[in-house]
Amino acid sequence: DTGVSQDPRHKITKRGQNVTFRCDPISEHNRLYWYRQTLGQGPEFLTYFQNEAQLEKSRLLSDRFSAERPKGSFSTLEIQRTEQGDSAMYLCASSPGAGSYGYTFGSGTRLTVV
Amino acid sequence: RKEVEQDPGPFNVPEGATVAFNCTYSNSASQSFFWYRQDCRKEPKLLMSVYSSGNEDGRFTAQLNRASQYISLLIRDSKLSDSATYLCVVRSGSARQLTFGSGTQLTVLP
Repeated sequence: DTGVSQDPRHKITKRGQNVTFRCDPISEHNRLYWYRQTLGQGPEFLTYFQNEAQLEKSRLLSDRFSAERPKGSFSTLEIQRTEQGDSAMYLCASSPGAGSYGYTFGSGTRLTVV
Repeated sequence: RKEVEQDPGPFNVPEGATVAFNCTYSNSASQSFFWYRQDCRKEPKLLMSVYSSGNEDGRFTAQLNRASQYISLLIRDSKLSDSATYLCVVRSGSARQLTFGSGTQLTVLP
C-alpha cells in the first residue's frame, strides 16, 4: 500500500443521476477526509472519519451527499440527484493523526455533471 | 473573510530567481501550518510543515509570525520544476481538518 487510492478517476454523469466514489486510505492511517475542489480554489472540507466514526461534516455537505466508512478502512462518498454545481474534483486524504500531521491525498475523482 | 487568504498570483519569474509567497489566517487559535504544492490537474502534495522558529528544506524556507497571523514561503534559485500552485494550509485549534487557501500560482520561465 503505497498511497491513497481513489476510484474512479473520472466520472461523467447526467444531471439527476446518483454517483458513488471510493477511497482506500493508507492502511495504517485511521483518519480519512473528503474534500471538494473547483477550478481556481483550494480544497474545501466535506467530511471526516476517525476509524468508522464520521465525526464532522461541513455545511457544504447537503442532504444529497452521504459518506460511509463501514469497517474503518475504505470509504465511499455518494451524491444523489446530481446537479451541475456538483461538478468538481473530489479528493480523499488520510492521516495518522492530528497535530502536526499533514495529509496524504489520493489522485481524486473528477466529476462532470452534464 | 476567508479563513486563509493568499495572493492568487500568477507569479512569473525567471529561472534562478528568488520568489516569496505570503499567506494570512484569521483564526488566532490556529496551531498547525503547512505549505502544499499542487501541479495542474493533480492532487495537492505536502511540501513542508511550518514551525514557529521557521524552517528550511533545501531551497525552501517557511516562516510563521503568530502575532501577525502570517505565513511565508521563500523559494531560492527557482527551477522550471517549481512551477505549480502553492497552497497555504492551516489547522485551527479545535478543528480536526485542515483549511486550505485558494493557492498562489507560480510559473518559472526559462
